[in-house]
This record gives sequence, C-alpha cells and structure tokens, in this order.
Amino acid sequence: EPEVTQTPSHQVTQMGQEVILRCVPISNHLYFYWYRQILGQKVEFLVSFYNNEISEKSEIFDDQFSVERPDGSNFTLKIRSTKLEDSAMYFCASSEDNSYEQYFGPGTRLTVT
Amino acid sequence: GESVGLHLPTLSVQEGDNSIINCAYSNSASDYFIWYKQESGKGPQFIIDIRSNMDKRQGQRVTVLLNKTVKHLSLQIAATQPGDSAVYFCAENISGYSTLTFGKGTMLLVSP
Repeated sequence: EPEVTQTPSHQVTQMGQEVILRCVPISNHLYFYWYRQILGQKVEFLVSFYNNEISEKSEIFDDQFSVERPDGSNFTLKIRSTKLEDSAMYFCASSEDNSYEQYFGPGTRLTVT
Repeated sequence: GESVGLHLPTLSVQEGDNSIINCAYSNSASDYFIWYKQESGKGPQFIIDIRSNMDKRQGQRVTVLLNKTVKHLSLQIAATQPGDSAVYFCAENISGYSTLTFGKGTMLLVSP
C-alpha cells in the first residue's frame, strides 16, 4: 500500500538555525500539506500546496516558513531561524484532490535547543 | 520548563465492548468530516469519512454518525480490540478548501 514518507524521523537543531524537513507524498496525489503537533496538543494545519504553489496557509505559516517541491517526488518544509517554540512533530500529508482523505506520514520530531 | 497541553478526555473499555467517541465540530459551513486514529509516536491514520449529505456511514467495525443540527459527530467501534487503543481525532473541512481543522482528541484505552 502506498504511503507518505518523511525524513528525518528526528531532527535536533540549535535556536536560530535553519532546518529542512523532507517528505515524499504518495505518487499520484496532487495536493500536499504540512501540519504540526506540539507535544500533547492537537494537530494544526500549516499549509497546502497544489500545482507548484501554496493554495492555503494558516496564520502560523509566517515568513519564517517556506515550502518547495524541488523535483517530481519530494516536498519540503523549510523553517528559518528556528525558535524554541518551533519544537513539535511535523506531519506531511497528501491527497488526490481537495476535500478528499488526506494520508499522513509518520512525522518528523523537531527539537530546538 | 513545564509544558501545558490539552487534557485529553479518556474512554476506557474492555475488549469486546462497543466504543462510542464523540466530537463537537465548530464550523457550520463544514461539509466533510474525517475520523483519524493516532497511535503514540505516529502520524494520524485515516479511519472513515462522511460528507454532509449523509448522516451515517459504515465501514469495517466502525460507524460514523453526523448530526448537523447540533454539529456533532460520533465514531462507533464495534467489538473493540486492544489494538484500537489510540487517540482519536475528528477533523472538519469545507469543500473546495484544503484545510483540515482537527478536534482535541479522545484517548481510547482498551483493556484485555
């Protein structure tokens, strides 16, 4: 069964550094998403991406964040100048279409020290 | 320092019981709803979905009920098994938009 994959599984970085989280969505899916989940809290939407551009973003997704589809398979989330409060699980998801079931990857645990 | 998180409501059942997990959604414009299961250290896993033109949908051992009048969603799990132990989230969506808005979650604990 196809699945969304994410690397790395755990990333530790120092405050102020930049990190890139990587995702490989399901191959025939056209919509890609990033969510985050701070420890013990609910999953929060960050951004959706379709046709090589951002289609929606939340107020969390400010200028510190960017997304890119650098090739035909990868989808990345870049976080610049990381802060302690960016520590969270970051989930990538993909779907065939808008308002269809979104399939989630296993997540990357980001720890900012 | 001390972390502040959500206090998850918890449902404890015995193996073989039927479980009902409830969710109140927030946006009356939402017309697509999904239940996700999240096991410790993993990403949300799709269980079942329902669109607002239906009030009930059944899957394998699971049933979702939708009451639009009171903005309420429930997930029924028949013959609950220890492997069903996880946090269950409902999520809502408005057709044509990508955003999934997740609820707070309910922890289901199934004892043998």
